[in-house]
Amino acid sequence: KQEVTQIPAALSVPEGENLVLNCSFTDSAIYNLQWFRQDPGKGLTSLLLIQSSQREQTSGRLNASLDKSSGRSTLYIAASQPGDSATYLCAVRPYAGGTSYGKLTFGQGTILTVHP
Amino acid sequence: DTEVTQTPKHLVMGMTNKKSLKCEQHMGHRAMYWYKQKAKKPPELMFVYSYEKLSINESVPSRFSPECPNSSLLNLHLHALQPEDSALYLCASSPGQGYSGNTIYFGEGSWLTVV
Repeated sequence: KQEVTQIPAALSVPEGENLVLNCSFTDSAIYNLQWFRQDPGKGLTSLLLIQSSQREQTSGRLNASLDKSSGRSTLYIAASQPGDSATYLCAVRPYAGGTSYGKLTFGQGTILTVHP
Repeated sequence: DTEVTQTPKHLVMGMTNKKSLKCEQHMGHRAMYWYKQKAKKPPELMFVYSYEKLSINESVPSRFSPECPNSSLLNLHLHALQPEDSALYLCASSPGQGYSGNTIYFGEGSWLTVV
């Protein structure tokens, strides 16, 4: 059974810092890994998706890396801003087909607070 | 347009009521999902529809009944719910089975309170 762990559970930083969120998973047989952001009481916003064959993806100040063999992904946020405050979730997707299609396994999330 | 629209945003229902949650997307996606999220927990998969057919039911109680009338719409019919069913219900969609780069897009969710 796939298990996804995110470290740290919470992070509080001053504005402007570069920071790293970590995600690890136990089963390396994944189709892709997706990072999401969730604001309080809201739905999930997709930030980055990394295919199992890729090593990293970038979007603006965000960079996500994937090391499938070691079961790890990191989300790097450059020059953090108060508007980045949210819960960040990583989710892995097993290989498509069979009964596993579409079943994302989420980590517990990292609650990020960026102080002005 | 990468929008998944859910209605209503908030719903309060009694344990004997029948209500429905609705979800709509116009991205041409062929896979749609219902997830349930309790406070301070990650989302948990309930149902997956692929090409308008139910492909995954995660052993969800029968008081939750999904329906996919067409490729753009997904409903969740609710009947005889329990207070512990109170949660944020999230709808999501993705291009479809077999597509690589299969980003899953979530709606804003429907907050359900069962009294």
